[in-house]
Amino acid sequence: GAVVSQHPSRVICKSGTSVKIECRSLDFQATTMFWYRQFPKQSLMLMATSNEGSKATYEQGVEKDKFLINHASLTLSTLTVTSAHPEDSSFYICSARDPPAGDYNEQFFGPGTRLTVL
Amino acid sequence: GQNIDQPTEMTATEGAIVQINCTYQTSGFNGLFWYQQHAGEAPTFLSYNVLDGLEEKGRFSSFLSRSKGYSYLLLKELQMKDSASYLCAIMDSNYQLIWGAGTKLIIKP
Repeated sequence: GAVVSQHPSRVICKSGTSVKIECRSLDFQATTMFWYRQFPKQSLMLMATSNEGSKATYEQGVEKDKFLINHASLTLSTLTVTSAHPEDSSFYICSARDPPAGDYNEQFFGPGTRLTVL
Repeated sequence: GQNIDQPTEMTATEGAIVQINCTYQTSGFNGLFWYQQHAGEAPTFLSYNVLDGLEEKGRFSSFLSRSKGYSYLLLKELQMKDSASYLCAIMDSNYQLIWGAGTKLIIKP
């Protein structure tokens, strides 16, 4: 199957700093990438959908100025958590999809990034 | 509104069979996915159903009834490594995945 990598796998930072998370599709071109957040013992929550070359579409309740998403190429999307606070501590997971909407399009998940804000 | 229901937790014995149910009400339907997620890891794909019926893949099978808004994941010959959360997800009319809260499956020897 297709491989999606995420970096870093774990990050611990101080409150007020910004953290960048990279998501890469290694062996396919991802026209669409998704960013999820998962709190302990809860399901995945979609934060935003990004299409290569265009602005991300954020879900209701997700601050676009706080969670900056850039999808500059077909293999790379980045999520920057700006001015992180302890409540932003979570497991952030990206996924990538290659076929356009209308086809069976499995999402391939990255391994996730555990963010801890002190 | 959109709603996906699955049991919070189930327990089963190694070597046995377990069925995890998922019922849903969503705006549009473009398929149902089952994912497995081990603690601290990202989900991994198990199955996809878009037509009614049973899809079998090794020890795992998934069933769908669109008219009933119902699916189940059947795991046979359970192994200890099957202990994980199992997530049911619906692809809605916008081709976005709507996720259930997941079922934590505990396998006992």
